Amino acid sequence: TQLLEQSPQFLSIQEGENLTVYCNSSSVFSSLQWYRQEPGEGPVLLVTVVTGGEVKKLKRLTFQFGDARKDSSLHITAAQPGDTGLYLCVSPTDSWGKFQFGAGTQVVVTP
Amino acid sequence: EPEVTQTPSHQVTQMGQEVILRCVPISNHLYFYWYRQILGQKVEFLVSFYNNEISEKSEIFDDQFSVERPDGSNFTLKIRSTKLEDSAMYFCASRQGERGYTFGSGTRLTVV
Repeated sequence: TQLLEQSPQFLSIQEGENLTVYCNSSSVFSSLQWYRQEPGEGPVLLVTVVTGGEVKKLKRLTFQFGDARKDSSLHITAAQPGDTGLYLCVSPTDSWGKFQFGAGTQVVVTP
Repeated sequence: EPEVTQTPSHQVTQMGQEVILRCVPISNHLYFYWYRQILGQKVEFLVSFYNNEISEKSEIFDDQFSVERPDGSNFTLKIRSTKLEDSAMYFCASRQGERGYTFGSGTRLTVV
């Protein structure tokens, strides 16, 4: 079973600062997705990365997929309180689309 | 933006009772899933459903659990005899092709 490790587990920063969270695997990802989950809500898809070395931007969020497709990072520039949430990396495990979730990084941005 | 709708948002039930959690997936999606998240723990896969049958299930999804798509729009998860350890957020999700899931907002199940 592919293990998804996310780091750090918890990150607390001030508004305006930058942050990076990481997702690593013991094996190659076929693809990787990042979700954000807020308390009491379901995870919301942010991005899907497929190609090694791929970089995608979503406003102040930058997602990178490692060249070997075994790691990914999410960088937030000038974080805002609205960025607070649990950031999850998720990867499919088989053709039926059963996905495996990392434990997540809890990000707290204080004003 | 199409949504996956789950009802109820919160259900409290006594141990041993049956519960049915309801989901309306996005209408043109073909793959349906139930996941759960025990408070403070990872999101865990329960079951996937495609072409009106279970395609895969986890070891959590034992004989107490069942899923049904009774009318072409609803997708339900039934727990026949709830246990305390079934208390969790249950998320329904649907998917079209290779895109990511769309999750519902979840049903918080509390077994007392």
